[in-house]
Amino acid sequence: NAGVTQTPKFRILKIGQSMTLQCAQDMNHNYMYWYRQDPGMGLKLIYYSVGAGITDKGEVPNGYNVSRSTTEDFPLRLELAAPSQTSVYFCASRIREGTEAFFGQGTRLTVV
Amino acid sequence: GDSVTQMEGPVTLSEEAFLTINCTYTATGYPSLFWYVQYPGEGLQLLLKATKADDKGSNKGFEATYRKETTSFHLEKGSVQVSDSAVYFCALSTGGGNKLTFGTGTQLKVEL
Repeated sequence: NAGVTQTPKFRILKIGQSMTLQCAQDMNHNYMYWYRQDPGMGLKLIYYSVGAGITDKGEVPNGYNVSRSTTEDFPLRLELAAPSQTSVYFCASRIREGTEAFFGQGTRLTVV
Repeated sequence: GDSVTQMEGPVTLSEEAFLTINCTYTATGYPSLFWYVQYPGEGLQLLLKATKADDKGSNKGFEATYRKETTSFHLEKGSVQVSDSAVYFCALSTGGGNKLTFGTGTQLKVEL
């Protein structure tokens, strides 16, 4: 049971490039989340999904897009990367509202 | 809206000292409460949880009691170790709410 798996672990992007951060969970969880964590700061919610085909914006969605075509996968797309998107990105999932979330190991992204 | 307030860090303690990290919350309804721990370079891991008033969550020598009257969920440990050095996040989730709400995190440093 792998839990929540994020790929890649590290990535350096040039300004204006695009990339997709992958997130997969094998726990059949309905709810999935993307957070970013800036150095020395807490977590900010980017997007979340309550089930396949349903996504919604969090606190800081600008510059990002998501899709949820399957229960297992919740990729985060960065279009036109900017230095302000340098951060550590965490994916999380949980079975339903009110329960604890399980986190991936994170993707450390640097935009130069 | 829901919110979580944690004490500012860093908190620096000597090994075997007593630890308290304060957490208070504002929420509609009766939330579930969580403490997560983040070790350097890793994702967040659930440390303990409590789902109703007066519940005590405990794990690895840490404990926290859900106090509805003071809307608090303070984290305590009787004797910290160097290996407890990490960032600790308090969080809440309300039934009927799609999101987890996190505090800003408190860094703990334990020295010999």
